[in-house]
Amino acid sequence: NAGVTQTPKFRVLKTGQSMTLLCAQDMNHEYMYWYRQDPGMGLRLIHYSVGEGTTAKGEVPDGYNVSRLKKQNFLLGLESAAPSQTSVYFCASSYIQGKQYFGAGTRLSVL
Amino acid sequence: GIQVEQSPPDLILQEGANSTLRCNFSDSVNNLQWFHQNPWGQLINLFYIPSGTKQNGRLSATTVATERYSLLYISSSQTTDSGVYFCAVCETGGGADGLTFGKGTHLIIQP
Repeated sequence: NAGVTQTPKFRVLKTGQSMTLLCAQDMNHEYMYWYRQDPGMGLRLIHYSVGEGTTAKGEVPDGYNVSRLKKQNFLLGLESAAPSQTSVYFCASSYIQGKQYFGAGTRLSVL
Repeated sequence: GIQVEQSPPDLILQEGANSTLRCNFSDSVNNLQWFHQNPWGQLINLFYIPSGTKQNGRLSATTVATERYSLLYISSSQTTDSGVYFCAVCETGGGADGLTFGKGTHLIIQP
């Protein structure tokens, strides 16, 4: 039972490049979330999904897109990376509004 | 949106000491969780506690929803308790199902 797995763990991008972060969970959770964490801050919600095929915007959605084609996977895309998107990205999953379980994070640097 | 304030922002204690961390929130919530982020960045869910009191070993938490605060108690601190403790809430009727995080309490336990 791996829980929530994020890939990759680290990535360096140049401004304007694109990339996709993958989140996979094996707990059969309905809800999945993407957060970002900046130095000295708590986490902020980017996008979330309440079930397969659904997505919704969180607090800081601009510059990101998401997809939930399969229940166990939640993808976060950056179409044209900017230095302001340098951050640590966390994925989480839960039963309906229940306890959230987090992945280990992806550290992204945009130069 | 809902505001989450945690206090104190920083706390340095000797091993064996007890501590109380506080979380105040500005509106009614249907979901409150406490997390520990260890020095390696991993987020561990400590409690799902929208109301009432729970205990898990040396840790316990109490949420008084009507007065809009929650407390996390750590007894007989160990060096492994060091890290950042986050309180996170979901506002009742807020429209988004993700969590709003406070900025955390940075706890250092010295041997």
